Amino acid sequence: EVQLVESGGGLVQPGGSLRLSCATSDFTFSTYSMNWVRQAPGKGLEWVSNIVSSSNTVYYADSVKGRFTISRDNAKNSLYLQMNGLRDEDTAVYYCARNPNSRLYFDSWGQGTLVTVSS
Amino acid sequence: EIVLTQSPATLSLSPGERATLSCRASQSVSTNLAWYQQKPGQTPRLLIYDASNRATGIPARFSGSGSGTDFTLTISSLEPEDFAVYYCQQRSKWPLTFGGGTKVEIK
Repeated sequence: EVQLVESGGGLVQPGGSLRLSCATSDFTFSTYSMNWVRQAPGKGLEWVSNIVSSSNTVYYADSVKGRFTISRDNAKNSLYLQMNGLRDEDTAVYYCARNPNSRLYFDSWGQGTLVTVSS
Repeated sequence: EIVLTQSPATLSLSPGERATLSCRASQSVSTNLAWYQQKPGQTPRLLIYDASNRATGIPARFSGSGSGTDFTLTISSLEPEDFAVYYCQQRSKWPLTFGGGTKVEIK
């Protein structure tokens, strides 16, 4: 069964940084495009960032562009999100999510890691 | 950015009833639209992709239709486990966007 396990969330002050990780197993990670999707408490889903299988192309939501950096290590089957310049509005559960067969939908999700930005 | 507007925000129905959820796009997305179900405390689950294709393991009571700007998710006969929040999502253009969700609650 496909497994995605996020880590690295926590409480951080505005302007601070965090690095999220997503460890994956039971599928050929290197062949899939991957994403971060977030959900603020009690709110809907917001796509954050995408990275293609080879890491040579990345995409970001305007709300995080210039502050967040997505990356991956195919040898470690892991996805990352470096978050700098955090703002109150970045408070959310961050999910790692897989795209199936090059379609930009999300067929597998991790359980999420909570990021809280507060002073 | 393509804005997806879901309606109604809340749908109050009884088990066994038919549920019809709407998703309208601010510009054409062709059939590049998916539907997800999210239950409280759980992660989203892909139900429908490319507007009308059921994802693996999704019961036949879930169906999707539409193209261009208007889409519908239909649950033919609500089971107790179907009461949840449903989101649509487009993949036609970057950034990928979700609708605001429709909550299907027990009447």
